[in-house]
Amino acid sequence: DAGVIQSPRHEVTEMGQEVTLRCKPISGHNSLFWYRQTMMRGLELLIYFNNNVPIDDSGMPEDRFSAKMPNASFSTLKIQPSEPRDSAVYFCASSLTGNNRELFFGEGSRLTVL
Amino acid sequence: AQSVTQLDSHVSVSEGTPVLLRCNYSSSYSPSLFWYVQHPNKGLQLLLKYTSAATLVKGINGFEAEFKKSETSFHLTKPSAHMSDAAEYFCVVSDMNAGNMLTFGGGTRLMVKP
Repeated sequence: DAGVIQSPRHEVTEMGQEVTLRCKPISGHNSLFWYRQTMMRGLELLIYFNNNVPIDDSGMPEDRFSAKMPNASFSTLKIQPSEPRDSAVYFCASSLTGNNRELFFGEGSRLTVL
Repeated sequence: AQSVTQLDSHVSVSEGTPVLLRCNYSSSYSPSLFWYVQHPNKGLQLLLKYTSAATLVKGINGFEAEFKKSETSFHLTKPSAHMSDAAEYFCVVSDMNAGNMLTFGGGTRLMVKP
């Protein structure tokens, strides 16, 4: 299995531009998570989906952030408009549902907003 | 509410010497506990997990951790550090009262000197 695949691996953009990050979870996993990692705040859960349905988006910073999961094999995290404080590494992770589940992480998308 | 505290943000050891990364947790129910490792520019990978079976848990790459309920601790150890162990390590707690959501510690950066 190829694991969780994220794209792009690196993105540099200017303030005000739209950013779209993409994730392909492991086939057969029915939970998907988006995390953000920064030096200041560590690892933060932004949103997670079960069976393509958003369950908890309380970690989404503000309305500029949105996430979708149109099918079991694809999810996007969009930031519009982007701001310099959005600069971070964004991780997607997937898992099976249930207790004690292991999360499988992608390699992350490093976003720099100038 | 569940929480996890990693007592050291940085740990430095010499190659061949023992590793101890400390973790204390707070949970209102019987928790599940995990250690994840993150190598530079990579996603997180599961090292080991405790799920109310044996209190001494063995993981990959020679790491192990012991669940001590009386001390609310789940410290990670390895008898002999290798250069390839240099990475960031995250202690994670999950319990049913929190909907089995994972709460990550702030991370401990392990440095291994030759």
